[in-house]
Amino acid sequence: AQSVAQPEDQVNVAEGNPLTVKCTYSVSGNPYLFWYVQYPNRGLQFLLKYITGDNLVKGSYGFEAEFNKSQTSFHLKKPSALVSDSALYFCAVRPQGDSWGKFQFGAGTQVVVTP
Amino acid sequence: DAGVIQSPRHEVTEMGQEVTLRCKPISGHNSLFWYRQTMMRGLELLIYFNNNVPIDDSGMPEDRFSAKMPNASFSTLKIQPSEPRDSAVYFCASRLDPQGGSRNQPQHFGDGTRLSIL
Repeated sequence: AQSVAQPEDQVNVAEGNPLTVKCTYSVSGNPYLFWYVQYPNRGLQFLLKYITGDNLVKGSYGFEAEFNKSQTSFHLKKPSALVSDSALYFCAVRPQGDSWGKFQFGAGTQVVVTP
Repeated sequence: DAGVIQSPRHEVTEMGQEVTLRCKPISGHNSLFWYRQTMMRGLELLIYFNNNVPIDDSGMPEDRFSAKMPNASFSTLKIQPSEPRDSAVYFCASRLDPQGGSRNQPQHFGDGTRLSIL
């Protein structure tokens, strides 16, 4: 069975500081990994994905994520956080062997960026 | 381009009433997902359609829930009879799965229907 864990319910960071949101996963075989962001009263918006290749993936709004196979992690990072980055962030995983492509979402991490 | 469109955005109704949520996926997308989001349980996949055919409905809570996709541009999620514990935000998402592809494209979400059952 696949699973994904976001160990922090909330991350607090000052504007201009680096932001990291953690994600670890468990799947059989190789994973497809995704990050989404959700603003209040909105649906989830796609940020970036890892399919194969370079372990460092760049996405929207200056975010990037690093795939680490040995640590089974896919942490989301941004070098300099903005107040507008305050939102709920979800990591999602599906095993490459799952032919029907269902995602397993994490519980979400609330990011609060203070001015 | 229009994204996934859900209606209504908000629904308040009394226990026992029938509720119908609607979704229009992105044109050309051939997979459609219904999710439920609550504080307690997070984001739960209810049902997944591919080419209008239900592939996995194992997440549907009970027989009171049903979903249909009569054509590629429309899907409904129905709750009958509704109960207070059904109160949640319901999301629809769609995805383009290329023929013979590996289904690794992102899902695109609508803005949800906030359902309150009194």
